Amino acid sequence: GDSVTQMEGPVTLSEEAFLTINCTYTATGYPSLFWYVQYPGEGLQLLLKATKADDKGSNKGFEATYRKETTSFHLEKGSVQVSDSAVYFCALSASNRDDKIIFGKGTRLHILP
Amino acid sequence: GAVVSQHPSWVICKSGTSVKIECRSLDFQATTMFWYRQFPKQSLMLMATSNEGSKATYEQGVEKDKFLINHASLTLSTLTVTSAHPEDSSFYICSARDSIQGTEAFFGQGTRLTVV
Repeated sequence: GDSVTQMEGPVTLSEEAFLTINCTYTATGYPSLFWYVQYPGEGLQLLLKATKADDKGSNKGFEATYRKETTSFHLEKGSVQVSDSAVYFCALSASNRDDKIIFGKGTRLHILP
Repeated sequence: GAVVSQHPSWVICKSGTSVKIECRSLDFQATTMFWYRQFPKQSLMLMATSNEGSKATYEQGVEKDKFLINHASLTLSTLTVTSAHPEDSSFYICSARDSIQGTEAFFGQGTRLTVV
């Protein structure tokens, strides 16, 4: 079945460091790919998405490119801030619009001032 | 983006009682709603998927008589935890999607349930 694998955390970085959180997926067809962020005690917020190969999603300085050849959707940010500390979830949704969203296990990110 | 409101944000109840959690889509029609459970420092576990006007589809291992889901309208779904026990204490999150518009789902802010 479809699945998402993302790097395990926690990831600890200093402010202004470069961030990469790896995400790979397994799916039949052409899924849509998402990154969600969860701040402490809150629900999930959509951070960015890409719906087809080579699409780049971007938001708040974060970027991820849909790479079909490597089945990856790695999250990157050039200069992280303390306020970026949160849990980040990579997810996919099958091309069938009634299908469920499948999440990775999440990566906890700590940014030190 | 679209807004999904979940209520209450936290609730404490006595063991043996039932608790209802509401999930509303405020500015779009939620043809599909999902209910998740999240344990501390873990990912979201999908409990069930519901389409408006039809019975929910439960994931393997989720007791449908324990976790009652009703999706009576295009803007409201409810999850009722019946005869709650301490092991039901968790963070419950709903999400909603307008399947006609696309594959993106929007999430509620979550409900922290504590059963004492």
